[in-house]
Amino acid sequence: DAGVIQSPRHEVTEMGQEVTLRCKPISGHNSLFWYRQTMMRGLELLIYFNNNVPIDDSGMPEDRFSAKMPNASFSTLKIQPSEPRDSAVYFCASSPQGGLNEKLFFGSGTQLSVL
Amino acid sequence: GESVGLHLPTLSVQEGDNSIINCAYSNSASDYFIWYKQESGKGPQFIIDIRSNIDKRQGQRVTVLLNKTVKHLSLQIAATQPGDSAVYFCAENMRAGGTSYGKLTFGQGTILTVHP
Repeated sequence: DAGVIQSPRHEVTEMGQEVTLRCKPISGHNSLFWYRQTMMRGLELLIYFNNNVPIDDSGMPEDRFSAKMPNASFSTLKIQPSEPRDSAVYFCASSPQGGLNEKLFFGSGTQLSVL
Repeated sequence: GESVGLHLPTLSVQEGDNSIINCAYSNSASDYFIWYKQESGKGPQFIIDIRSNIDKRQGQRVTVLLNKTVKHLSLQIAATQPGDSAVYFCAENMRAGGTSYGKLTFGQGTILTVHP
């Protein structure tokens, strides 16, 4: 299995631009999670999906952030417009069912720099 | 100016020593816990997990101990190797709102450095 695949690995953009991060979960996994990692706040859960439906988006910082999961094998996290404070590493993770006692499998992350 | 951020606990050991990394969790209702290892430039990688109905679980060179009374987890690494150098996170799995889904919340992490 290729694991969770994220793209791009690195993204450098200017303030105000739209940024789209992509994720392909492990085949057969029904739950997908987006996390953000910064030195200030550590690893924070932004949103997660189960069977392509958003279950909890309480971690999404503000309306500039949106996430979609149009099918079981693809999800996007979009920031529009981007700001320098959005600079962070964004991780996607998946798990088989998203249940209470499941471990998450993480991708390698997207390092985002907003100038 | 000086940057402000999380001041991660650090642990520095010699190769071959045993390492103990500690973690305090927040929710007494959490019933599943995981330790992750994160190397530079990579995503968190699963090490070992434990459910709340037991207080000890062993893997290859690693042992996790759970003390529910004081909400404390520890990760013990035997015969630590330079390749074990990384940031280690504990995570607790909590029920998401009124659903049957789990939500993994991470601790701040501990930096382990192993000297040859």
